[in-house]
Amino acid sequence: GQQVMQIPQYQHVQEGEDFTTYCNSSTTLSNIQWYKQRPGGHPVFLIQLVKSGEVKKQKRLTFQFGEAKKNSSLHITATQTTDVGTYFCAGLGYSGGGADGLTFGKGTHLIIQP
Amino acid sequence: DARVTQTPRHKVTEMGQEVTMRCQPILGHNTVFWYRQTMMQGLELLAYFRNRAPLDDSGMPKDRFSAEMPDATLATLKIQPSEPRDSAVYFCASGSGRINEKLFFGSGTQLSVL
Repeated sequence: GQQVMQIPQYQHVQEGEDFTTYCNSSTTLSNIQWYKQRPGGHPVFLIQLVKSGEVKKQKRLTFQFGEAKKNSSLHITATQTTDVGTYFCAGLGYSGGGADGLTFGKGTHLIIQP
Repeated sequence: DARVTQTPRHKVTEMGQEVTMRCQPILGHNTVFWYRQTMMQGLELLAYFRNRAPLDDSGMPKDRFSAEMPDATLATLKIQPSEPRDSAVYFCASGSGRINEKLFFGSGTQLSVL
C-alpha cells in the first residue's frame, strides 16, 4: 500500500532560524495536504497542493510539491515560538478522490529554543 | 465557527471495561473518520463513513472495536473490552465528501486504560 515518509522526526531550532520538513511518497500522489498540530491540540489543515511543481506561500511558510508528485516540503522562514508543534503531510493517492485515500506521515516535531 | 465535537475529552478506565467515544461532525459534512494517535504509530486510520455507511474499517481490531453512525449528527467508537494497549488519543474528523476534501479534526479523546 501507499506509504508516506516524513523527515526529520524531530527538529530543534533556535528562534529565528529556518525550518524544513520533507515528505516522500512511495507512489505518485493526486494531491498532498499539510496539517499542523499544536502540543495538546488536534491537527489543523494548513494547505493543499495539487499541481506538479506547485509552490504556495502562507506568510513565512512555503509549501512545495515535487515535479513527479511524489514528494513535498514545508519551509518556515525565521521561526517564532508560535510555530511550535507537529507538522504532518498527508498524501492522497489515485484510488479515490476523497479523503479516504489520505495517508498521513508520522509528522515532524518542531521544537524552538528561545 | 463550525467544528467537530468529541466527547469525552479525557477517559480513564480499567482494563476490561467498555469505552464509548462520541463525535458530532460538522453540519453538512458527509464523511467521518476515526483516527488513533500514538507516539509510536502516529495517526492511524481506524474507520471511515460516507453518508453514514461504513466504507473501511480495516484499520480497526474487529474483535474489540466497533464504529457506528446512528444518524448524520453522531458517530460512535466503542472498545469492549478495553486493554492497556488501547491507551491513545482518538480523533474524529469530518469532511465535505467532495474531491480533494480537507479534514476537520475534533479535539480528541485522551484514553487511558489501566
